[in-house]
Amino acid sequence: AQSVTQLGSHVSVSEGALVLLRCNYSSSVPPYLFWYVQYPNQGLQLLLKYTSAATLVKGINGFEAEFKKSETSFHLTKPSAHMSDAAEYFCAVRSNNNDMRFGAGTRLTVKP
Amino acid sequence: EPEVTQTPSHQVTQMGQEVILRCVPISNHLYFYWYRQILGQKVEFLVSFYNNEISEKSEIFDDQFSVERPDGSNFTLKIRSTKLEDSAMYFCASSEGQEGGYGYTFGSGTRLTVV
Repeated sequence: AQSVTQLGSHVSVSEGALVLLRCNYSSSVPPYLFWYVQYPNQGLQLLLKYTSAATLVKGINGFEAEFKKSETSFHLTKPSAHMSDAAEYFCAVRSNNNDMRFGAGTRLTVKP
Repeated sequence: EPEVTQTPSHQVTQMGQEVILRCVPISNHLYFYWYRQILGQKVEFLVSFYNNEISEKSEIFDDQFSVERPDGSNFTLKIRSTKLEDSAMYFCASSEGQEGGYGYTFGSGTRLTVV
């Protein structure tokens, strides 16, 4: 079975500050990991994905994530938060022949 | 960029009524999915569908639920007799392949409200 755990259901940062959203995975086979963003009243948009090509993955809107096998982590970061980054962020995992499973989500608030 | 289209965007129905949620996946995708998100909660897997049959389903997907690909473009989720607890956002998704590196493309969702 595979799963992801997102630490912190709510993260609040000031505009311009570092964003760090945490995700840890559990998988008995090599995982593929994803971050999705959900803006209010909208669907899920893919931010980035890890597919074993490179451990540091760059995504849209200045976000990036690093796959660390030793820590079973795939944390999402952005050096400088913008007001428009306020949204719900979901970490997800899948493996070959398995369907995608989501974490509980982290709501990011950006203060002016 | 290709999109997954879901209709309607919002549906209100009375408890006990049947609803059909519709999705048009990306045309060259072969794998289709439904997920559910109860307000303020996590995104939950309901069912996956490939080659005109269900590949996997969760414990949420009981006998009240069914999926169908009635033609070459639509993918539907039917709830036979809705309950209050079925109120949620329902997301359709599609994928090119079953290999783990393929992400899913999600639609914008249908918000189902059961009254």
